[in-house]
Amino acid sequence: DGGITQSPKYLFRKEGQNVTLSCEQNLNHDAMYWYRQDPGQGLRLIYYSQIVNDFQKGDIAEGYSVSREKKESFPLTVTSAQKNPTAFYLCASSAGGRAGTDTQYFGPGTRLTVL
Amino acid sequence: GENVEQHPSTLSVQEGDSAVIKCTYSDSASNYFPWYKQELGKGPQLIIDIRSNVGEKKDQRIAVTLNKTAKHFSLHITETQPEDSAVYFCAAPKETSGSRLTFGEGTQLTVNP
Repeated sequence: DGGITQSPKYLFRKEGQNVTLSCEQNLNHDAMYWYRQDPGQGLRLIYYSQIVNDFQKGDIAEGYSVSREKKESFPLTVTSAQKNPTAFYLCASSAGGRAGTDTQYFGPGTRLTVL
Repeated sequence: GENVEQHPSTLSVQEGDSAVIKCTYSDSASNYFPWYKQELGKGPQLIIDIRSNVGEKKDQRIAVTLNKTAKHFSLHITETQPEDSAVYFCAAPKETSGSRLTFGEGTQLTVNP
């Protein structure tokens, strides 16, 4: 973390509601990422963005949406179409631009619970 | 794309002992291998990384070794302390032309006092 902030730390959602998770970085990084982590599991990529106004689906994009209107911000919306949204969500950023040698730095995470 | 396997999934050691976690990867073109430490309820923190032009890198009690021929890299923690207890993840580039990473499944390290 350090230069990456996520809010809120904890989020509760009722079934059928959309919620938006915030991610902001002041590292001047071009690339940003969203990961999902389930208990005892590894990191699964939801969406990523290599540059402003551009983003691509990761491995588990269904039921999620993102935007990248500003370099420092990459909000994630968990829609009602996501059938099992309860998880720990992690945002990361990297400088980008260097093929295969890019260090990713993570934020502190948001724990989403569906009631 | 890259496939990363991490072993063991759990590791328990006595304080002061060494701990070793190993990862294998599939893409021989991969050239960057970071290690992350994740404490309970927090985001992963980069603790050390290695690029393919070196075989070993050390930072105090932590070291990473890379064997490109065998396509594996290992994290070594010496003189373990209770505060080393956490989940450790290895990673490798998902593709050689982008910035995505493929992560291992993680190792839960417990250091017993």
